[in-house]
Amino acid sequence: DTGVSQDPRHKITKRGQNVTFRCDPISEHNRLYWYRQTLGQGPEFLTYFQNEAQLEKSRLLSDRFSAERPKGSFSTLEIQRTEQGDSAMYLCASTPSGRLYEQYFGPGTRLTVT
Amino acid sequence: GENVEQHPSTLSVQEGDSAVIKCTYSDSASNYFPWYKQELGKGPQLIIDIRSNVGEKKDQRIAVTLNKTAKHFSLHITETQPEDSAVYFCAARPGNQFYFGTGTSLTVIP
Repeated sequence: DTGVSQDPRHKITKRGQNVTFRCDPISEHNRLYWYRQTLGQGPEFLTYFQNEAQLEKSRLLSDRFSAERPKGSFSTLEIQRTEQGDSAMYLCASTPSGRLYEQYFGPGTRLTVT
Repeated sequence: GENVEQHPSTLSVQEGDSAVIKCTYSDSASNYFPWYKQELGKGPQLIIDIRSNVGEKKDQRIAVTLNKTAKHFSLHITETQPEDSAVYFCAARPGNQFYFGTGTSLTVIP
C-alpha cells in the first residue's frame, strides 16, 4: 500500500501525559498537512509543511502542540500535557508537487484522553 | 477566514434515487472546491473536485456544480447504491488552507 500511513491508529492516554503521532506521506509528496477532526465535524486545519519547512499554523493551535518534519519525509505531531478536549481524530494528508490542490488523507490516529 | 456551511447534515434515499448535498462559502478568494467521502474508521477520500473557472464537472454517477456569484456548490449523486452510504464533506481552498463543511451522513436504503 503506497498511501498515507499514520501510527498509531489508536492512542489512549491519561490527562497530563505527552503523546506523539507519526505520519508517513506518499513518497515524493512535498506538502504535508495535519488536521484534527471531532465527532460530527469536518477536519480542522492545524498546520502544514512544504518539505521540511512549517509554513502555516492555525491560530487555534495551542502551544502544547508541536509538529516537525525534519527531513521532508515523515512528520510527527506531539501534544504535551494532554487535556480531555484534545480527544479527537488526528488526520494527516499529503499533496504532490505540481498538483497542490489535491490532498490524500491517511486513516488517522484516534486519541482518547481519560 | 473562510466559512463553509453544508446541508443537509443527514440524508436518506432509496437505492437508485439521486442525492444532492449543498455547500456555501464566504471567501471570494476560494478557487478550489473538493468533495470527500469518509467511511467509518477511515480518512476522507477525494471523490471529485472543481475549480473556480468551471461551472460543472461530472465523473460517472457523480457531478459537482459551482455558482461563483452565489458562492455555493453542490454534489449530485445519481443512481445511488448502498456502497455510497458514508459521510460526505465539501471543502473550499482560498489560499494554502482547506476549510471543510460539517459533513452530510448519506444512507442509501436498499
